[in-house]
Amino acid sequence: LAKTTQPISMDSYEGQEVNITCSHNNIATNDYITWYQQFPSQGPRFIIQGYKTKVTNEVASLFIPADRKSSTLSLPRVSLSDTAVYYCLVGDPDQLTFGGGTRVLVKP
Amino acid sequence: SQTIHQWPATLVQPVGSPLSLECTVEGTSNPNLYWYRQAAGRGLQLLFYSVGIGQISSEVPQNLSASRPQDRQFILSSKKLLLSDSGFYLCAWKAGRSTEAFFGQGTRLTVV
Repeated sequence: LAKTTQPISMDSYEGQEVNITCSHNNIATNDYITWYQQFPSQGPRFIIQGYKTKVTNEVASLFIPADRKSSTLSLPRVSLSDTAVYYCLVGDPDQLTFGGGTRVLVKP
Repeated sequence: SQTIHQWPATLVQPVGSPLSLECTVEGTSNPNLYWYRQAAGRGLQLLFYSVGIGQISSEVPQNLSASRPQDRQFILSSKKLLLSDSGFYLCAWKAGRSTEAFFGQGTRLTVV
């Protein structure tokens, strides 16, 4: 099971781009990289998933370098409502194990 | 469409009392099912997961147990609650090898 390492917390301001990097040095060939967002007193919500290079959807972009040992979630032009904990998941999709996540605080 | 139901939303139980939390999924078949616990200000701890009826994997040895009596029903139980069992319990489901999981509304359990 690939272990992930993320910063514990990050602060940003409204309108800025937020980039959260996740390290997963032991990622396996078949592993996908998945990111979730969690608001207080709610369950996590799927944001984006990728295998390599770049993936973009209406919420975020995910950048994965060629060696796949890390990934960066990019949130464009954040608002106060983007204040949440963001989790990076890598590994066995049956286990679905969450790490500590990154607490992002968006300030006005 | 698929929906997940988890109840109750809040629960206050005395130490030593039993626990039963129920989770059901609608609109899909043979889902993977999960129970998580989240202590205040902490990350999600995977407690149990099931990839099929009768298949329960336990991640953390403790006084909790899980059962899957029907394909889309997942139950978390305890015979005797401890103070340390307090937390936010979340049920989730996903389809097979997909990495997109869907979570219930959660149960906030306070053991007093």
